[in-house]
Amino acid sequence: DAKTTQPPSMDCAEGRAANLPCNHSTISGNEYVYWYRQIHSQGPQYIIHGLKNNETNEMASLIITEDRKSSTLILPHATLRDTAVYYCIVISEYGNKLVFGAGTILRVKS
Amino acid sequence: DAGITQSPRHKVTETGTPVTLRCHQTENHRYMYWYRQDPGHGLRLIHYSYGVKDTDKGEVSDGYSVSRSKTEDFLLTLESATSSQTSVYFCAIRPAAGGYNEQFFGPGTRLTVL
Repeated sequence: DAKTTQPPSMDCAEGRAANLPCNHSTISGNEYVYWYRQIHSQGPQYIIHGLKNNETNEMASLIITEDRKSSTLILPHATLRDTAVYYCIVISEYGNKLVFGAGTILRVKS
Repeated sequence: DAGITQSPRHKVTETGTPVTLRCHQTENHRYMYWYRQDPGHGLRLIHYSYGVKDTDKGEVSDGYSVSRSKTEDFLLTLESATSSQTSVYFCAIRPAAGGYNEQFFGPGTRLTVL
């Protein structure tokens, strides 16, 4: 599975959009991009995933570049409860093991 | 709520003793996972199971064994606990097979080995 690179930390003002980048320049054609987050001391929580099209659900939007070498997770109106570590994970279509990196610590501030 | 419970939630034990952690699910999902989380390392996969009596190793399996004798329970055993196994242990289940990797995680077990 391709490796991912994320910034170690980001700050965002409450109510504003949080845009979390992820680089996955070695991604291959059958690999998906998954995003999870982990709020302090809790288990990780699935957010969203995509292959090549942009995706949106009730939690977030996922924008994947046309060459698929990078993606951005967008939390449209960040709240204090969105403060967490966000993990970008690339995994093949039939892979069954998630590999968590260090992730991005997002701090939402009032 | 994906119906995942872990027991115990907290445990303190001494070096050299065996320890068993239990993960229980209520929805008969095929895939179950054990991870550990340590400061500076994120989550690392210990073992996983893809069915009753079907298990495989993850990236940090040394010193751990697992068993799955029925669908709903996945046990993680530290055969002889060491201080390096002090960690937070998370269990996860994966509802869908093939091409969909949404995993649901339990609340975690905090293990301290003295």
